[in-house]
Parts: sequence; C-alpha cells; structure tokens
Amino acid sequence: EAGVAQSPRYKIIEKRQSVAFWCNPISGHATLYWYQQILGQGPKLLIQFQNNGVVDDSQLPKDRFSAERLKGVDSTLKIQPAKLEDSAVYLCASSLAVGYRVDQPQHFGDGTRLSIL
Amino acid sequence: QQPVQSPQAVILREGEDAVINCSSSKALYSVHWYRQKHGEAPVFLMILLKGGEQKGHEKISASFNEKKQQSSLYLTASQLSYSGTYFCGTELLMNYGGSQGNLIFGKGTKLSVKP
Repeated sequence: EAGVAQSPRYKIIEKRQSVAFWCNPISGHATLYWYQQILGQGPKLLIQFQNNGVVDDSQLPKDRFSAERLKGVDSTLKIQPAKLEDSAVYLCASSLAVGYRVDQPQHFGDGTRLSIL
Repeated sequence: QQPVQSPQAVILREGEDAVINCSSSKALYSVHWYRQKHGEAPVFLMILLKGGEQKGHEKISASFNEKKQQSSLYLTASQLSYSGTYFCGTELLMNYGGSQGNLIFGKGTKLSVKP
C-alpha cells in the first residue's frame, strides 16, 4: 500500500512570499489532516477534512492560511503571506476514520520543511 | 489542554526498560502513541480506548487509566531501533459524552538507546 505523499520536501522562501504544499492521501482514506510541527514540539492540527468537507479548522490562521481538498482526494495547503513564525514542518496525515471519532491510526507523510528568511 | 509528557528525555542502554507517561487535565476518550525518528514522519504505535485496557506491540505496551486521565508507554528490553521521539495524542471526551474529534499531541519524549 502506497503511503501518504507530500511535496515539496523542502521549501525556502522570504517573508511575505506565498507557498503551497500538496498532499496525496492513502487511497480510500476519508479523513485528511494538516499539521504544523515546530522544532521540538508535537504536531499541531491546522485543519481536518472528511471527504471534501471541513470538519475542524479552528486552529488555522485564516488571515494567511488556506486549504482545500477537491474531489475528496488530494489536498493543498497555502500560506500567503508567510511570516517568520511559519517556519516549521507541515505534515499531512490520512485515516480511515469516519464520523466524529478518532478511532483509526493516522498515517503521516514525510512532511514539507519550510524555512522563512 | 495539551497533554503533559514525562520525562522530556531519557537515555538507555540496550536491554534496559523505560516508561513514558502522558497526563491530561481533561477527560479522555482515547490515547494514541506515535514514534518519530529524526527527519521522518511519525509512525503509529497503538490506540488505547477508554475502558482501562492495556495493549501490546512486541516489546512495547501501554496502559490507559481513564479515571486518572493518564496513559503510560512501556518499552522493555530496549533495542537501538527504539530510539526516537515518542508522542502521545489525546482525544478529549466532551461533556455530552462524545469526542472532540481530533488529537492533541504532547511535546514528546526523546528516547536514546545506546549500545
């Protein structure tokens, strides 16, 4: 079974520029998550999709971050404009979980390491 | 709401045992454990559902005390491959009896196993 695919693997941009990350979840996984992981911290949920609907985006800084999951499969996360504090690893995960429970493992991609200069 | 993990770091010799704790100030529906090696994705270890069960995965097992809102991860006869950072993720139990619907991860416990 192919894992969660993410690209790019690394990205370096200057503050105030924009950047986009792409995620392809495991086939058949209804739920997709985007996490931000700052160095030395645990992953922090930014947004959760079930199929192509948003379940939770309460921690997404909506003035600069946006995400979509068209057709309930691939997803993109965008930052515009980027700030220095956005330097982090952005992880995508997918799961077979449906409904409002976290009763299935989350499978993570390798992430995109973003550096803001 | 973020769970507290202890210790923050531990160094072991091969064959030694370790316990990693995860404590929440809120009632929990479940606890998830993941291991992340440097520069890699977190890898799922196990889920513990409310009910106080204990689960095992080879020489790694865990318990969940829902009354104390705590979980412990037990690593016995540690191997070099056990090195990494261990995260617990907690699923909160809401007042109406349902789930918060996502995980809140702790800051992690860094485990180093030396030959």
